[in-house]
Amino acid sequence: GAVVSQHPSWVICKSGTSVKIECRSLDFQATTMFWYRQFPKQSLMLMATSNEGSKATYEQGVEKDKFLINHASLTLSTLTVTSAHPEDSSFYICSVGRGGNQPQHFGDGTRLSIL
Amino acid sequence: KQEVTQIPAALSVPEGENLVLNCSFTDSAIYNLQWFRQDPGKGLTSLLLIQSSQREQTSGRLNASLDKSSGRSTLYIAASQPGDSATYLCAARIPYGNNRLAFGKGNQVVVIP
Repeated sequence: GAVVSQHPSWVICKSGTSVKIECRSLDFQATTMFWYRQFPKQSLMLMATSNEGSKATYEQGVEKDKFLINHASLTLSTLTVTSAHPEDSSFYICSVGRGGNQPQHFGDGTRLSIL
Repeated sequence: KQEVTQIPAALSVPEGENLVLNCSFTDSAIYNLQWFRQDPGKGLTSLLLIQSSQREQTSGRLNASLDKSSGRSTLYIAASQPGDSATYLCAARIPYGNNRLAFGKGNQVVVIP
């Protein structure tokens, strides 16, 4: 069964709208979750590491005020794309893992289209 | 910085042929290497995980090998089927910082009936 649930799977909205994406760990409590972005025919690029109870760690070049991450509980992390613009249109995927030598499990992704 | 490369980027094979997908990484200091499958517009499905101390892992028609010293992993898919058509991604788990995954760009596979 699914280990990670990501919602919504698809969003279309107007430029300037803020969009929230949820990532839930279904099987275990996750102190760390990862958020990735994927452009067509490209690999996954890590955007940020979501840490339960503390601030997220953002990768170089990722605007933390643009991509707000909240990890308020051990089973839920949210990514909010604030004031979205067409260039933010992409495929966003979260992942969860027990850490160390354990496999990472991914959500089904969210296709974001900004008009 | 860990860099992961997958060759070829795309390939087509007739049904029944064996598939060989290659993944190389620049830094041999890895926790493990994981192979994923991604269907168009979908998330990633984990196929196989090879720990840094292991040489290979098998699951059904899938076999993945790891040669850490040379920075290479290979995914073999025996007797390919049209349902194997997908993009296959390899990712190396980095044992420092936040233990992130470094991904290759993927091997896009089409199995022709």
